[in-house]
Amino acid sequence: QPVLTQSSSASASLGSSVELTCTLSSGHSSYIVAWHQQQPGKAPRYLMIVEGSGNYKKGSGVPDRFSGSTSGADRRLTISNLQLEDEADYYCETWDSNTWVFGGGTKLTIL
Amino acid sequence: QITLKESGPTLVKPTQTLTLTCSFSGFSFSSTRVSVDWIRQPPGKALEWLGLVYWDDDARYSPSLKSRVTITRDTSNNQVVLTMTNMGPLDTGTYFCAHRLDYLITDWGQGTLVTVSS
Repeated sequence: QPVLTQSSSASASLGSSVELTCTLSSGHSSYIVAWHQQQPGKAPRYLMIVEGSGNYKKGSGVPDRFSGSTSGADRRLTISNLQLEDEADYYCETWDSNTWVFGGGTKLTIL
Repeated sequence: QITLKESGPTLVKPTQTLTLTCSFSGFSFSSTRVSVDWIRQPPGKALEWLGLVYWDDDARYSPSLKSRVTITRDTSNNQVVLTMTNMGPLDTGTYFCAHRLDYLITDWGQGTLVTVSS
């Protein structure tokens, strides 16, 4: 069963860029990861998947400011030109053998 | 447009069984690519995957909760039902259902808060 590790918090200034990282456990570095955003008091929202190759595919309506990338076992979510509405919790998700798992989430604060 | 909405009790007593219903629209549960998941979130904590049910009523569960969780589908009423036995205070949280297409959750319900307390 893969384990996903995320930093508990991150912060960045309005209008700047931030990179959030989700690290796959040993033996699972090729896995696809999905990213979800959860704004305060709301349900999560699907953002994108990021493949081991670095390719990413966004969900419907996700702004161009959001992009994904890969470095080894790390699956990254980059948000450019940060807006106030980007202040949220961000969760990564993956699966193996018909079971799914979420990372612990990163709380992004906009300064 | 896909919509999902959770319903059920907001308060359950310790040791009781929780039953929640996910009512959905906008997709067909007859597709082999479709499943409906249940995910929960304790207050202030991370998301936890509970399990899912496929179009053919086959279900998969989190290994840590497998003995307590059952997920079934009612295609005639466009509903999916979560049953969780022996509820305790640590089961307090918001319970979400979600639409999964192939391997990806693409749509979430709004969630329903369940409190376990005597």
